[in-house]
Amino acid sequence: QSALTQPASVSGSPGQSITISCTGTSSDVGAYNYVSWYQQHPGKAPQVIIYDVSNRPSGVSNRFSGSKSGNTASLTISGLQAEDEADYYCDSYAGSLYVFGTGTKVTVL
Amino acid sequence: EVQVVQSGAEVKNPEESLKISCQGSGYSFTNYWIGWVRQMPGQGLEWMGLFYVANFATIYSPPFQGQVTMSADRSTNTAYLQWSSLKASDTAMYYCAATRNGNFRWDYWGQGTLITVSS
Repeated sequence: QSALTQPASVSGSPGQSITISCTGTSSDVGAYNYVSWYQQHPGKAPQVIIYDVSNRPSGVSNRFSGSKSGNTASLTISGLQAEDEADYYCDSYAGSLYVFGTGTKVTVL
Repeated sequence: EVQVVQSGAEVKNPEESLKISCQGSGYSFTNYWIGWVRQMPGQGLEWMGLFYVANFATIYSPPFQGQVTMSADRSTNTAYLQWSSLKASDTAMYYCAATRNGNFRWDYWGQGTLITVSS
């Protein structure tokens, strides 16, 4: 199972919105509405910020939103803040296992 | 409060064996899946496999099939990942994650166990 494709890096200024894409196939992203997004700060464990394509766990800022169209899922961060600088990974259920995206480094300029 | 705590960092020689642990507290382990994730230095996240504590069902990601073994002890709410013969290429951070059966998100993560394999 190949990793889902994400841009290596995305940057934005504070207050701006950015979108990270996550492209898979009809066997993973396109087949199930079970796409999650994880935020990972340096030296820390990943933390789920979006699940089931567009749901936010309790305690996660509403500046984070998710969507999906066909084989591509997207994460949008609105009102970018310095604390959003981190690595972001999408993750999709693929029928028995899961598959992560390649990861995107978000830089706040 | 749910917590997942992993065993500490290890430094091992090639060909040595190793078993690392992942202990859950604050919830009943039985109806949870445990996932193991590898993160090599400076690299992304990779699923190694999944383990269902209720019936010990295991699903290994193809690259890791035959390379590692997942197990658990329900009496201590602890999951394990073991190697019989480490290689230098096993040097990485290893995370365990837990999710309730029926959920498709990984809510609870351990802090990671850093394994260094070097002669």
